[in-house]
Amino acid sequence: GAVVSQHPSRVICKSGTSVKIECRSLDFQATTMFWYRQFPKQSLMLMATSNEGSKATYEQGVEKDKFLINHASLTLSTLTVTSAHPEDSSFYICSAGRTVNTEAFFGQGTRLTVV
Amino acid sequence: AQTVTQSQPEMSVQEAETVTLSCTYDTSESDYYLFWYKQPPSRQMILVIRQEAYKQQNATENRFSVNFQKAAKSFSLKISDSQLGDAAMYFCAYRSAYNNDMRFGAGTRLTVKP
Repeated sequence: GAVVSQHPSRVICKSGTSVKIECRSLDFQATTMFWYRQFPKQSLMLMATSNEGSKATYEQGVEKDKFLINHASLTLSTLTVTSAHPEDSSFYICSAGRTVNTEAFFGQGTRLTVV
Repeated sequence: AQTVTQSQPEMSVQEAETVTLSCTYDTSESDYYLFWYKQPPSRQMILVIRQEAYKQQNATENRFSVNFQKAAKSFSLKISDSQLGDAAMYFCAYRSAYNNDMRFGAGTRLTVKP
């Protein structure tokens, strides 16, 4: 159990367009989902935490208008990169947890390339 | 805010030998959870082991074990009988028991030599 599916795994988009990344918990209800960004050979940088039915909590320095997060149900959260630019190219990873007292399970990640 | 420190950017071990990866953390909370995650070249994050702060006994999962020193705020990972498939980035993580906060260390790249 505890499978998190992230889609797409890779996406290439043109500068100025928007891209949506989905994160689904397949066999459990995720009260909380986390979105991370990972630069090459670096650690995971937490972008935002989302709870089902409420607004996401963004980390300092993360533009909430650029990185739109929606957590409409207990099994789905989406990250939309709006008006993408080449500097947004990165590896984005989501994770989901059942409750505050359990480990988080990770999706496969999405490699975003903005050209 | 909680911080997690991994002071070893890279480590190397001979196949079948034992290696220990270090992790320290800083927190004022009394209850929390600690994890080691493995990230192979596929970049899929895989949970290796978890430790509840309220438990004194060190967690063990097959060849993986931890040395949890709560007073020293230290949480090291020992890999015994290292295998080629253990080569990966290893991240130490802290999760608060009071909120949704989860933080990762900078990671340690482990190389396993045949």
